[in-house]
Amino acid sequence: ETGVTQTPRHLVMGMTNKKSLKCEQHLGHNAMYWYKQSAKKPLELMFVYSLEERVENNSVPSRFSPECPNSSHLFLHLHTLQPEDSALYLCASSPSSEETQYFGPGTRLLVL
Amino acid sequence: EDQVTQSPEALRLQEGESSSLNCSYTVSGLRGLFWYRQDPGKGPEFLFTLYSAGEEKEKERLKATLTKKESFLHITAPKPEDSATYLCAVQANQFYFGTGTSLTVIP
Repeated sequence: ETGVTQTPRHLVMGMTNKKSLKCEQHLGHNAMYWYKQSAKKPLELMFVYSLEERVENNSVPSRFSPECPNSSHLFLHLHTLQPEDSALYLCASSPSSEETQYFGPGTRLLVL
Repeated sequence: EDQVTQSPEALRLQEGESSSLNCSYTVSGLRGLFWYRQDPGKGPEFLFTLYSAGEEKEKERLKATLTKKESFLHITAPKPEDSATYLCAVQANQFYFGTGTSLTVIP
């Protein structure tokens, strides 16, 4: 595997389910990000981790819970989501939090 | 308020018909401007980073330029495979993304 990978690529869940999104980067980067992409809207930055520490949390509802166990892996734990949370969730990484970000393919999430 | 605006929202070109996409920004303390290409159902693919006014970068049929208030992505003699959404992002105290320009190149 090369670059940034995300699993699953597609996810359908009910509002009472608990699921997790996984991101792995094979670039040796130190910063990782979660973004939400909805139609006709700019990418919304959700969380930033630098050297495994959360450095930014942009007023994201607590039903989204990030986890960064090491510099190569990033998770987004989901629970009791709402239909308006349906979107493409993108993971990105960069050498540092000040440099160019490289994106994964995204997870298309549908909340029923 | 820090903001990134891309225009047009959508653009249809005939194959070979050159054009430009615009990204205007109002941020304090620009550190960098980034262009990405995004195909349907995929993540954004990095194209260019520009750091200072007057800087230009090229890759195949694409050329990105930067002024103090905006950036242009020039597409010369586009081909159908250039069809995609092109995203602009600026880095100030944080990253700000535009909503993108959806480009369709018709054979």
